[in-house]
Amino acid sequence: DTGVSQNPRHKITKRGQNVTFRCDPISEHNRLYWYRQTLGQGPEFLTYFQNEAQLEKSRLLSDRFSAERPKGSFSTLEIQRTEQGDSAMYLCASSLGRGLPSYNEQFFGPGTRLTVL
Amino acid sequence: AQSVTQLGSHVSVSEGALVLLRCNYSSSVPPYLFWYVQYPNQGLQLLLKYTSAATLVKGINGFEAEFKKSETSFHLTKPSAHMSDAAEYFCAGLMDSNYQLIWGAGTKLIIKP
Repeated sequence: DTGVSQNPRHKITKRGQNVTFRCDPISEHNRLYWYRQTLGQGPEFLTYFQNEAQLEKSRLLSDRFSAERPKGSFSTLEIQRTEQGDSAMYLCASSLGRGLPSYNEQFFGPGTRLTVL
Repeated sequence: AQSVTQLGSHVSVSEGALVLLRCNYSSSVPPYLFWYVQYPNQGLQLLLKYTSAATLVKGINGFEAEFKKSETSFHLTKPSAHMSDAAEYFCAGLMDSNYQLIWGAGTKLIIKP
């Protein structure tokens, strides 16, 4: 399968613990996005990479959150000192960006559901 | 401010009936608009997109949407609902960014047998 994959699919953790999620984009895609989705809401943008460069971070991404894409391929999203409010679905998407004004479809992974107890 | 609004968190239709899911946007620049579908425990899948070409856009699974600038709307329709259409549908827009999608809150489509 050549779609976007995310691991783990589910994560249950205790408040205060650190968690890390992984996203593997479609192999030729140079753009990678992280979103957060809570129940009954649409996805909220967290951050965006073009190749290995993190070009945009939402103000939702507090200093407890860090994302990396070290070689321009897979990406990790780490949450330190988790809080109950961090419980959500974390979605990753990738696209083949070719600059303004064109838009290339964002392909989404299945998400990682985080529950903080 | 840029925004996308979906009217109705839940829409219920009978199998075989018309599906109409509403989406309105607010943007200071011509937007690109999208409809995504999300089945339980799955990721988001693109149904169709408007990128300033034809205002009537056809997508997968028999869905289509019409961009109406005068009404700032991009409503999603399907002539005849099928049980497999039961899912959550999200409208999203690219406004003043070429990558940051602005999302509606979603509409859950329920199909009655």
